[in-house]
This record gives sequence, structure tokens and C-alpha cells, in this order.
Amino acid sequence: QVQLQQSGPGLVEPSQTLSLTCVISGDNISSKTAAWHWIRQSPSRGLEWLGRTFYRSKWYKEYTESVRSRITISPDTSKNQFSLQLNSVTPEDTAVYFCARDNLGLSIPLDYWGQGSLVTVSS
Amino acid sequence: EIVLTQSPGTLSLSPGERATVSCRASQGINSRHLAWYQQKSGQAPRLLIYGASSRATGIPDRFSGSGSGTDFTLTISRLEPEDFAVYYCHQCCGSPTWPFGQGTKVEI
Repeated sequence: QVQLQQSGPGLVEPSQTLSLTCVISGDNISSKTAAWHWIRQSPSRGLEWLGRTFYRSKWYKEYTESVRSRITISPDTSKNQFSLQLNSVTPEDTAVYFCARDNLGLSIPLDYWGQGSLVTVSS
Repeated sequence: EIVLTQSPGTLSLSPGERATVSCRASQGINSRHLAWYQQKSGQAPRLLIYGASSRATGIPDRFSGSGSGTDFTLTISRLEPEDFAVYYCHQCCGSPTWPFGQGTKVEI
């Protein structure tokens, strides 16, 4: 059974960097059939996919256009986890952030999700 | 950029009734890339349907999906009390934005 456990600060000041971590159990971050995602949800924007990272002989990263200049998703193979960094945050980045796995190697999209982390951007 | 539009926004039904949720894409998408999720308050979304019509592991057979091209449908044949939730369609892959629909609330 795959489990994703999120952690990170719940409050970030404007212009600072939002950082979250997702620890994976029951699967390997270097899986050649899975990918590892960050998604956020807010009342104003709904569910918004932010990006993903995956390993297929080398590491790949894909990001949505709206945050591409500010986002980094990084794998950590030594800890079997991945992280989200979002720079220069504004109150519009206030949302519940989720990590998730896809298993598109088996044609299955986002099948496991973290518990969600409410991040508030405020001074 | 593909936009997914769900209808209706809210569905008011009783247990035992049939629920039908529609998802329309702004342009044709590969049905292999269309999924449906259920979300209850305070929880992460749960995968129900992938590939437009395949049930995810452990999903009861009262949930079914259909459609192709730009029009997709989620049907719950007989609503159980635990089915009252918000439902989202989602396009995975084949898009730079992996869009979600805006959600349909199924309420009593």
C-alpha cells in the first residue's frame, strides 16, 4: 500500500519561499512507471496541477506554465521523498497543497494522494 | 489550453437515486486520459474512474464512466449515503496543464 506523508510550514510570509516535502512509503521514487506530483486547491482556483517529476533513465521535471518561473520539484532518492519549492509567494498562493502519485506506466493517473497541507501566505 | 467544464454545479438527490455528472472538454481529448475523482470535505481527492470508463481498485460497480472526444459522463447508479461529495473530472497527460473540472457537488 502506497502512502504519501506531507510536511512543511503552514504559514509563509509574502515574497518568501514555500517549501513542502512528501515522504513516500510502499513505492520507490525512482520507479520507472510512476511520477510524483504537486497539486493545490483553493476556493478561487479550484484544483490546480503544479508539476511532476519522474525517472526514466534520467530525471524529468514538468511544470504548469502559470508557476514555471517560480517552482522547483526535487526528488531525494536517499530519503525516498520529493519536495516542492515555490518562490516569491503572494497571498494568491494560499491553498491546500497535495502531493500525489501517478502510475501512468500502467495507464493509471493520480491514484495515491498525500493528506494535504494548508499553506497560508500572510505577514 | 484545454478547459474542462462540468455540469451541473450542484445535484440535489436522495439516496437510491441515480446521479449523472457531465464533463465537457474545450477540445477533443484521448479518452485514455480522462479520469474522475471524488472528494469529501477535508480529504484528498480519491480516484474513481480512469481511462474514461475503468474503475479504480476498490471502487464499487455503482460508479461508471463513459464518453469520448469532448463529452464524458460519470454515473452513480444508486446513491449511497457515503456518495454525497464533490466530483471532479480531470485530464491527465497529453496536456501541459493537466486540467481539472470545477467540480460538481452531489448533495442530499
